[in-house]
Amino acid sequence: RKEVEQDPGPFNVPEGATVAFNCTYSNSASQSFFWYRQDCRKEPKLLMSVYSSGNEDGRFTAQLNRASQYISLLIRDSKLSDSATYLCVVPPDPGNNDMRFGAGTRLTVKP
Amino acid sequence: ETGVTQSPTHLIKTRGQQVTLRCSSQSGHNTVSWYQQALGQGPQFIFQYYREEENGRGNFPPRFSGLQFPNYSSELNVNALELDDSALYLCASSSSSRSSYNEQFFGPGTRLTVL
Repeated sequence: RKEVEQDPGPFNVPEGATVAFNCTYSNSASQSFFWYRQDCRKEPKLLMSVYSSGNEDGRFTAQLNRASQYISLLIRDSKLSDSATYLCVVPPDPGNNDMRFGAGTRLTVKP
Repeated sequence: ETGVTQSPTHLIKTRGQQVTLRCSSQSGHNTVSWYQQALGQGPQFIFQYYREEENGRGNFPPRFSGLQFPNYSSELNVNALELDDSALYLCASSSSSRSSYNEQFFGPGTRLTVL
């Protein structure tokens, strides 16, 4: 099992749709999690942090299920500008700085 | 803009050559991490420097080496380039200590092509 696995995608959805991505991780000791967004040929940028059971920021909701070791990202009312690759990130254990990225899930929102 | 800069933006080398990539961290940040991102993949951790010392290394061979300078800028050196080294190399800066995690801010990357 890979350390961080994401829905392979791509996801093609119409504007206004709700879309959800899943990410599973193998290290049960991981304490915090992140979703990054990466536009085509650009650098990754932090979208959301997840430290407890979940986090919500406007149209974006991240949820954490420690028992099943997965994190989800829900996007409501999709906009054209949401088109990007979404990277699930599982940071290191304390004292280990090897930050693990998933391969990413590509989202295209169409008019 | 994150304030993290990288140079050069693009680079073309041939197999066997050596390359040096540079990164200037965001003001106030003392930690720099380097990542390799192949096409269609997520970034892979190469190593991290904290206050001029290596502070963790991923699964990369010794021909990948680095430095961090007193102003916290950093270099990534790759010797004996191979075709598979073609990728986007990302630098990320943060203000993390040895035992805590803080948000990493990425630079725009250097796209390396090895022919």
